[in-house]
Amino acid sequence: NAGVTQTPKFRVLKTGQSMTLLCAQDMNHEYMYWYRQDPGMGLRLIHYSVGEGTTAKGEVPDGYNVSRLKKQNFLLGLESAAPSQTSVYFCASSWADYTEAFFGQGTRLTVV
Amino acid sequence: AQKVTQAQTEISVVEKEDVTLDCVYETRDTTYYLFWYKQPPSGELVFLIRRNSFDEQNEISGRYSWNFQKSTSSFNFTITASQVVDSAVYFCALTDTGANSKLTFGKGITLSVRP
Repeated sequence: NAGVTQTPKFRVLKTGQSMTLLCAQDMNHEYMYWYRQDPGMGLRLIHYSVGEGTTAKGEVPDGYNVSRLKKQNFLLGLESAAPSQTSVYFCASSWADYTEAFFGQGTRLTVV
Repeated sequence: AQKVTQAQTEISVVEKEDVTLDCVYETRDTTYYLFWYKQPPSGELVFLIRRNSFDEQNEISGRYSWNFQKSTSSFNFTITASQVVDSAVYFCALTDTGANSKLTFGKGITLSVRP
């Protein structure tokens, strides 16, 4: 019963470094999402995917890129990390846009 | 564009009190879905309920109940006889069913239940 798994769980980056966050789901879901959670801001959608090979921008896409080469994986990339990207990142997946979303445990990223 | 407003940011109650968490939404679509999620101190997000726009029937699940009113675009959540374990951040969320539908969250309400 893995559900949605995010890797890594914690990471500290220096400004300008790059990294990739991996999200894997084993529920054969079509939809996958990346959110960031900041104090007082709730969950804001970064990018999402409605199926393998597709991606779309969410509310706060700048500074991030994503790829969905395999249905079960959704990667979030930071090409040049900035302190403003310090946040908790959540991946989620759902069978359809109107069904419940299952969330990973989150990745706490600090950019110094 | 869709929007979810949770005007209450923090609520503190004493155990056994009833508490209502408000959620107001905006969407142009006639078909949409509303959700509530709970985020306990451990950090994971837990699904609580989904309601579609054609079903205005209120729902009760144990100590939890939800009041969906299309006339006021609200989907409020009430916890009866609150317990310390109810302490969490609660998010209301909305998705429509258009071509670019996506799950949009409110900013969340931090509920603290004191013994």
